[in-house]
Amino acid sequence: DTGVSQDPRHKITKRGQNVTFRCDPISEHNRLYWYRQTLGQGPEFLTYFQNEAQLEKSRLLSDRFSAERPKGSFSTLEIQRTEQGDSAMYLCASSLSLAPRSTDTQYFGPGTRLTVL
Amino acid sequence: AQSVTQLGSHVSVSEGALVLLRCNYSSSVPPYLFWYVQYPNQGLQLLLKYTSAATLVKGINGFEAEFKKSETSFHLTKPSAHMSDAAEYFCAVSTMDSNYQLIWGAGTKLIIKP
Repeated sequence: DTGVSQDPRHKITKRGQNVTFRCDPISEHNRLYWYRQTLGQGPEFLTYFQNEAQLEKSRLLSDRFSAERPKGSFSTLEIQRTEQGDSAMYLCASSLSLAPRSTDTQYFGPGTRLTVL
Repeated sequence: AQSVTQLGSHVSVSEGALVLLRCNYSSSVPPYLFWYVQYPNQGLQLLLKYTSAATLVKGINGFEAEFKKSETSFHLTKPSAHMSDAAEYFCAVSTMDSNYQLIWGAGTKLIIKP
């Protein structure tokens, strides 16, 4: 068990560019979550997957954001046409869910810090 | 709708003193409650969680929290602060009304004075 990993750790991009982040969850975990965190705030839920199915997306998630988990293992989060307001830390978490509706312990990765110039 | 309020964006205590970080939640249904810690440049790490068993929950690194339904609180305490406790602490709530998604507080930065 090597924990949740995220790549890259830091990304600087110019406004209007597309960026993609990767998350590798703990290997046996079936749920994967994406959050956004800005300075002085708690994490803000973006979306989550149960295996390869995307089960929920935040209403705050703009259509410029898309996430995939094609084989139920790693996940990618893409932001198209980035804006300065997208600058934040993007966190990934994974958990092992043994019941359809349950509160599992989420294990977090170190995050990807995005800066949009 | 659920919400979490953490009183004090910054709390400063002397090394060896009691640590008390406050968390109040709002929920019309039974909650699950969590405390996470975030060290600089690291991900969030679970300290402890309450899932309707014992109201006094013991976590890692000597921290504990007590669920008080009448006060809708889940305050985090540690008897004696260490320099290594300096970090940001987040309280979160989860209920069936939120589809068991975590609703987070804004965090409290704990500063330890030598």
